[in-house]
Amino acid sequence: GQNIDQPTEMTATEGAIVQINCTYQTSGFNGLFWYQQHAGEAPTFLSYNVLDGLEEKGRFSSFLSRSKGYSYLLLKELQMKDSASYLCAVRDSNYQLIWGAGTKLIIKP
Amino acid sequence: GAGVSQSPSNKVTEKGKDVELRCDPISGHTALYWYRQRLGQGLEFLIYFQGNSAPDKSGLPSDRFSAERTGESVSTLTIQRTQQEDSAVYLCASSFRATNTGELFFGEGSRLTVL
Repeated sequence: GQNIDQPTEMTATEGAIVQINCTYQTSGFNGLFWYQQHAGEAPTFLSYNVLDGLEEKGRFSSFLSRSKGYSYLLLKELQMKDSASYLCAVRDSNYQLIWGAGTKLIIKP
Repeated sequence: GAGVSQSPSNKVTEKGKDVELRCDPISGHTALYWYRQRLGQGLEFLIYFQGNSAPDKSGLPSDRFSAERTGESVSTLTIQRTQQEDSAVYLCASSFRATNTGELFFGEGSRLTVL
């Protein structure tokens, strides 16, 4: 079956760096997405990786290794507003999105 | 409109009643998805429309659930004879092309509470 694994919850300190991991087993691969979802709100797009390597976008970076079925989202200079759930999703060979359950990130002062 | 619009934003209904949820995608977006999200959980795929192709209904949990979309415009998700386990936020998302980067734009969701 298809599976996306990410930690349920993580805690980090304001100003620090945190890495949220995502491992996947899917029927084919056509890209990996990270979305941010604040409590009670809709998910919003953060990043897209289809080739191996690191994609940097401001304080957020996303890394992909297709051979390992692994990605991570790196958040630098954490701010209180970064407290949210972070969803990893993989698009399979049928161009369907398979979603992880999300990682709830708690930022402490 | 500028974004994906969903209505109603909140719906409280009695067990056994039918409900209809509406999604108005971003103009020009050919792909439209319905997801269900229970409290504290991830996104559960329900149904996917891509242009005029036959929809992918593989995620619908039972025959009480159905959805329609007229062309590349509005979609409605209908839940018949609602049950308490149907209580969740129903999210609609659209994208420009499923075969491109495929970034999804989500609506604010319709929160359904079945009493």
